[in-house]
Amino acid sequence: NAGVTQTPKFQVLKTGQSMTLQCAQDMNHNSMYWYRQDPGMGLRLIYYSASEGTTDKGEVPNGYNVSRLNKREFSLRLESAAPSQTSVYFCASTQTGGNTIYFGEGSWLTVV
Amino acid sequence: AQSVTQPDIHITVSEGASLELRCNYSYGATPYLFWYVQSPGQGLQLLLKYFSGDTLVQGIKGFEAEFKRSQSSFNLRKPSVHWSDAAEYFCAVGRGGADGLTFGKGTHLIIQP
Repeated sequence: NAGVTQTPKFQVLKTGQSMTLQCAQDMNHNSMYWYRQDPGMGLRLIYYSASEGTTDKGEVPNGYNVSRLNKREFSLRLESAAPSQTSVYFCASTQTGGNTIYFGEGSWLTVV
Repeated sequence: AQSVTQPDIHITVSEGASLELRCNYSYGATPYLFWYVQSPGQGLQLLLKYFSGDTLVQGIKGFEAEFKRSQSSFNLRKPSVHWSDAAEYFCAVGRGGADGLTFGKGTHLIIQP
């Protein structure tokens, strides 16, 4: 009963370092999302993927890249981390036309 | 564009008292509406959702919410809160797709003994 799985759960980066957040879902969903959560801001959409090989920018895409190499996995990459990217990141998925979005447990990222 | 407003940043309620958390939304079509709860250091847990039909929806943990189209509201209620209800609550609107869900900024619920 895994649902949406994110790794790592916690990470500390130095400014300028790069890293990739991994996300995988086992529900055969077509649509996948990356959100970031900041205090007092709620969750904001970074990127969206409707299917394998397709991605679209969300509300706050700057400084991020994504990759949807297959139906299960949707990764988020920070090429050169900045302190402003300190946040909690959530991956989510849903079936196309579905009415419920399922979230992973979050990845806590600190950039120092 | 869709949007969600949660007017109350913080709410303090005594244990055993009733609770109402406010949510107002803006959406161009019939909305799908959600309430999520997040305990400190944890992920998001879906409390309840509204798609259509009965405007009063029941969720987990004794929560309910009422959809009022005329007021563009989807307020969350609980008759008697428990200390374990202390958490951050998020209202969200959306139908998936490229816009995903749009979240409010959250209401931090404090339970006092």
